[in-house]
Amino acid sequence: NAGVMQNPRHLVRRRGQEARLRCSPMKGHSHVYWYRQLPEEGLKFMVYLQKENIIDESGMPKERFSAEFPKEGPSILRIQQVVRGDSAAYFCASSSVGSQTNEKLFFGSGTQLSVL
Amino acid sequence: AQKITQTQPGMFVQEKEAVTLDCTYDTSDPSYGLFWYKQPSSGEMIFLIYQGSYDQQNATEGRYSLNFQKARKSANLVISASQLGDSAMYFCAMRVRKAGTALIFGKGTTLSVSS
Repeated sequence: NAGVMQNPRHLVRRRGQEARLRCSPMKGHSHVYWYRQLPEEGLKFMVYLQKENIIDESGMPKERFSAEFPKEGPSILRIQQVVRGDSAAYFCASSSVGSQTNEKLFFGSGTQLSVL
Repeated sequence: AQKITQTQPGMFVQEKEAVTLDCTYDTSDPSYGLFWYKQPSSGEMIFLIYQGSYDQQNATEGRYSLNFQKARKSANLVISASQLGDSAMYFCAMRVRKAGTALIFGKGTTLSVSS
């Protein structure tokens, strides 16, 4: 039973380019969360999605960032016109049920985005 | 507002010794869950242990136990018999029901185990 799969592991972009980060949740999981980790920091929540729906995007920057989780295929975190400050590790997590207090999230290995 | 505080940026311990990693939290919601995750140098986030706010007993998972002191709002992780493979970053996290979906993380503690 494969875990949460994220790709690519490393992504290098020049300022102004677009970055697309992919996340395939664990089998049977329909809830996906995206987090960002800056150096020496904990993970910051960005967005929570279920299939075809954005449930909570309170942590997403208002501009340039978007996320989707289509009926078929992986969840995508898209960053348009990247800037150096977007350089970070982006983690995806999945769960089977949803936002219960006792619900464990399963994390992927992350995508390290570097903006030159 | 909900908040997780980990005050120890780094901890050092010798193999086979026990170590306690501190975590305090802040919430006014009576229903919440507390989690610890381990992040080795490879980067993945590994779930270790969970404690619910209404749980009567402290959680234990193998060599990991959670020292839950509700009145003090602390949820310290205790690792017994440390091993070299325990060297990693450790994050305390909380989910509050009223706050919705987000798992809120502390800044982490780096644990270094030496032989």
